[in-house]
Amino acid sequence: LAKTTQPISMDSYEGQEVNITCSHNNIATNDYITWYQQFPSQGPRFIIQGYKTKVTNEVASLFIPADRKSSTLSLPRVSLSDTAVYYCLVGPDTGRRALTFGSGTRLQVQP
Amino acid sequence: EPEVTQTPSHQVTQMGQEVILRCVPISNHLYFYWYRQILGQKVEFLVSFYNNEISEKSEIFDDQFSVERPDGSNFTLKIRSTKLEDSAMYFCASSDPTGGPSRNTIYFGEGSWLTVV
Repeated sequence: LAKTTQPISMDSYEGQEVNITCSHNNIATNDYITWYQQFPSQGPRFIIQGYKTKVTNEVASLFIPADRKSSTLSLPRVSLSDTAVYYCLVGPDTGRRALTFGSGTRLQVQP
Repeated sequence: EPEVTQTPSHQVTQMGQEVILRCVPISNHLYFYWYRQILGQKVEFLVSFYNNEISEKSEIFDDQFSVERPDGSNFTLKIRSTKLEDSAMYFCASSDPTGGPSRNTIYFGEGSWLTVV
């Protein structure tokens, strides 16, 4: 499984755009990049997944450069409720295999 | 949105007692999982279950643990003789990787907080 590296923590203010970058230098050809969000005392929640270029949904955007060795989760106009831990996961067949969570990035949004 | 439900939300048990954590996965899902998260630590994979058998398990999932799908809706995790270090939040999850936009998504429940004293 590809190892991922992401910042331990980030701070932001309401209304700002937040970009969290994840490094995955050893990503394999059949690996997808998936981001989960976890609020305190709750289970992780799927945010977005991509393979290459850019993916956007109602919650976030995911930017993946051509070499796929990194990815950036972009949260537009964050609010206090976006305060959570964000995990970057890399691996194949993510709907049928074990997920390996790292320490994630703890995002603190302030008013 | 459909959800994975877990019971109990919180259980306190004596060391050495057996515990059963229950989960109702999303109804059309085919893969079922248990994860745990010790307070302040990472979310750790325990076991996955497909087609009525274990498909993957981690080294945490030793002989003290077992899983079962006793009927068409429930999925349980049993800890035979609990230890203090089993205190954690246990998350059940499920997925349907056969097709559709959510085929790569694993849906997690809200968790069962187990405290072993």
